[in-house]
Amino acid sequence: SSDLTQPPSVSVSPGQTATITCSGDKLRNKYVSWYQQKPGQSPVLVMFHDTKRPSGIPARFSGSNSGNTATLTISGTQAMDEADYHCQAWDSSTASMFGGGTKLTVL
Amino acid sequence: QVQLVQSGAELKKPGASVKISCKASNYTLTMYGITWVRQAPGQGLEWMGWISGYNGKTDYAQKFEGRVTMTTDTSTRTASMELRSLRSDDTAVYYCAKSDYYDTSGYYAYWGQGTLVSVSS
Repeated sequence: SSDLTQPPSVSVSPGQTATITCSGDKLRNKYVSWYQQKPGQSPVLVMFHDTKRPSGIPARFSGSNSGNTATLTISGTQAMDEADYHCQAWDSSTASMFGGGTKLTVL
Repeated sequence: QVQLVQSGAELKKPGASVKISCKASNYTLTMYGITWVRQAPGQGLEWMGWISGYNGKTDYAQKFEGRVTMTTDTSTRTASMELRSLRSDDTAVYYCAKSDYYDTSGYYAYWGQGTLVSVSS
C-alpha cells in the first residue's frame, strides 16, 4: 500500500483532457513530481515542483497541487501519452514516497 | 548527457544477498544524491532509500531498514545497493536515479536502465 493514492486507471479519448490525481495527507506541504512510464522502459520525469515541466516535455502536460490533492493534466491527449503515470512526493526531509500508479488509456 | 548504467540481471535463492551497481557519467557524483527505487512485476514504483554523494548520508525506507545498505564510491563514480535476506517478494526491477540535490532525495530527472532481480528456490 502507499500513502499516496492514485486511481488505478483513467481513460480518455484522443484530443480530450486527461486528469490524473494523487491524494495524500497535507500534500500541499510537499513537492510533487510526476513520472511517465511505458512498458519495459524506465520512468521519465514529466513534472517537478508541482507545476514545472522539464525541458522536452510538451506543453500539453501541466500540474497543480492544492490541499491534499495534486493533479497531472494532459490537454489534447495523444496516443503516445498512453502509459503508466506515477506521482512522487518529497519535502525537506530526505525520505520520499510514490503513489500506486495510474494506467492511462487513450481510446 | 547524464547517464546511469546499472549492472546486469541477477537470479538469487531465498536468504541470499544481492548487490547492484550504478555507474554515473557526465556529472559530478559528489554534488548530488542517488535514490534507489524498485518495481515488482505489474506493480507501482517503491522508494527504497537515498544516499548523498556529498557526504554518504543515507535515508532508508522503514520497510528496508536493517536489510539494505547503500554506498557510493566517488573514485569509480559508482553507487551500489545491497539487499540482504532476499525473499520471493523481493523479485523486482531495481532502478537507481539521480537525485537533483545533494542533501535530500528530491525528484529524479535521470534513471538507470533497471536491473531485474529474481528470487526463487
